[in-house]
Parts: sequence; structure tokens; C-alpha cells
Amino acid sequence: DTGVSQDPRHKITKRGQNVTFRCDPISEHNRLYWYRQTLGQGPEFLTYFQNEAQLEKSRLLSDRFSAERPKGSFSTLEIQRTEQGDSAMYLCASSLSASGGFVSYEQYFGPGTRLTVT
Amino acid sequence: GQSLEQPSEVTAVEGAIVQINCTYQTSGFYGLSWYQQHDGGAPTFLSYNALDGLEETGRFSSFLSRSDSYGYLLLQELQMKDSASYFCAVRAHGSSNTGKLIFGQGTTLQVKP
Repeated sequence: DTGVSQDPRHKITKRGQNVTFRCDPISEHNRLYWYRQTLGQGPEFLTYFQNEAQLEKSRLLSDRFSAERPKGSFSTLEIQRTEQGDSAMYLCASSLSASGGFVSYEQYFGPGTRLTVT
Repeated sequence: GQSLEQPSEVTAVEGAIVQINCTYQTSGFYGLSWYQQHDGGAPTFLSYNALDGLEETGRFSSFLSRSDSYGYLLLQELQMKDSASYFCAVRAHGSSNTGKLIFGQGTTLQVKP
């Protein structure tokens, strides 16, 4: 395991279609984050998982977006009825937390999935 | 609200020193991180400051002043490969200590020969 992987790397879809992205974090990492990045901007937080529990969602995450991490390992992000404004790079990151409240300050990012909605 | 301000672009020559500043305004604060991102690549971690002062890691150093809500990234002995975008990011208080990051808009560094 050499890092966070994401699939697919690129996705072109027509407006109104549904898309699903997958993220495989570093195997021992229990925390998983999804971010969205548009051109010339920094990543924006979308949602966060601690193991299989989704503990926080950004207001950016409309009802068309849903994320899961069913077994506390890989995660999926689905966008329903895509819109042109959804075109962006979707980044996944993972990190480690331990008992006693320790949270690693370093997040490891995957290469991202670039979504283009036509 | 939460916001971070950093310059949009910086240009420097190979071998020089460059400083990228970051000011932040957040409702809570754990620490300031810096990430590097090459075109088409993933953000990669450079440094983290939770306490005031300077942290040095090879050619890169990062500074934090919590009282001024200010930090900077210092890159020394610039190399062409340092041409990239640099993001400051705040670990802010969340409802469940998520560790989520709030990123600035990024500074594009261009290193010229």
C-alpha cells in the first residue's frame, strides 16, 4: 500500500447523469475526507468519516451528493443528476487518529477524480 | 466565518529565498498547515505549526504567530521543481474534532532560471 488511490481519474458525463467515485485510503487510516477543488482555488471540505461513520458534512454537500464508507475502508462519493457546476476535481484524503483524542495533523491526499459535466 | 488570505502569485529565481504569507480568520484554531500541489497532482503535506515560532524542515521553514493570526512559509535555495501552488490550511475547531482543513486559495510560485 503506497498511498491513497482514487478511481476513476477522469470522468466526463452529461448533465443529469449520476456518477460515482471511489477512494481507497491508506489501509491503517481510520479517518477519510472528501474535498472538492475548482481551478485556481484551494480544496473545499465536503465530508468526513471516522471509520464507517459519517460525522460531518459541509453545507456545500447538497442533497444530490451522498457518500458512504460501508466497512470503514474504501469510500464512495455519488453525485446524482449532475450539473455543470459540479465540474471540479474531487479529492480524497486520509489520516490517522488514535484513542485519547490524538489526531494526526498530516492528511494524505489521493490524485483526485476530475469530473467534467457537459 | 472562516477565511485565509495568501498572495495569488509569487515569482523568484533559482537559488533565491521566497516567503509566502498567510493570514487567517477562523472561529477556532488548532494549527496551520502548508501543502504543495504541482499542476495536475495531489496536495502533499509540507509542514504544520500548532505553536508560535519557526519549524524547519530542510529547505522549507514555516512560522506561526497565533496572536497575529499570521503565518508564513519560507522556501530557501529555490529549485525549478519548487514551481507549484502552495496552500496554507487551518485545522479549525469542529463539532467532533474532525481534523478537517480549511484551505486558502493558494499561491502560485514560479521559479525562473
